[in-house]
Amino acid sequence: KQEVTQIPAALSVPEGENLVLNCSFTDSAIYNLQWFRQDPGKGLTSLLLIQSSQREQTSGRLNASLDKSSGRSTLYIAASQPGDSATYLCAVRETSGSRLTFGEGTQLTVNP
Amino acid sequence: GAVVSQHPSRVICKSGTSVKIECRSLDFQATTMFWYRQFPKQSLMLMATSNEGSKATYEQGVEKDKFLINHASLTLSTLTVTSAHPEDSSFYICSASGQVYNEQFFGPGTRLTVL
Repeated sequence: KQEVTQIPAALSVPEGENLVLNCSFTDSAIYNLQWFRQDPGKGLTSLLLIQSSQREQTSGRLNASLDKSSGRSTLYIAASQPGDSATYLCAVRETSGSRLTFGEGTQLTVNP
Repeated sequence: GAVVSQHPSRVICKSGTSVKIECRSLDFQATTMFWYRQFPKQSLMLMATSNEGSKATYEQGVEKDKFLINHASLTLSTLTVTSAHPEDSSFYICSASGQVYNEQFFGPGTRLTVL
């Protein structure tokens, strides 16, 4: 059974700092991995999707990497801003069209 | 990306009543829809997966007679919480995926409060 773990559970940083969120998964036979952002009381916003054949994806100040063999992904946020404060969720999909397995999330607070 | 809507965004009901939540894919055909629930400060828990025109597949521990799911068209799925009780109070989120898109798109969620 696939299990996804995110470290740290919570993170508080000053504005402007670069930071890394970690995600690990137990079964490396994944189809793709997705990072989401969730604001309090809201749904999920997809940030980056990495296919199993890819090593990284970038969008603006966000960069996600994937090391499938070791079962790890990282989300790098450059020059963090207070507006980045949210919970970040990592999820893996094992086959095309199948369910997503979510981690518990990292709650990020960026202090002005 | 594709857009998924949910209605209502928030509902308060009395214990014993039934509540229907709609999930719509606005600009694509959703062959598969997923229903999740989320408790405060916890991650999403998959409740069921539904494919258009067929019965939903429920996760272990989810009562299918309690949480009725209908996926009658390629753009609409409904979740009905029957005879709701306070312990059913939660945040319910749907997602949808289709043949064109190889990812799930999430709705904004529905906050259910059962008094």
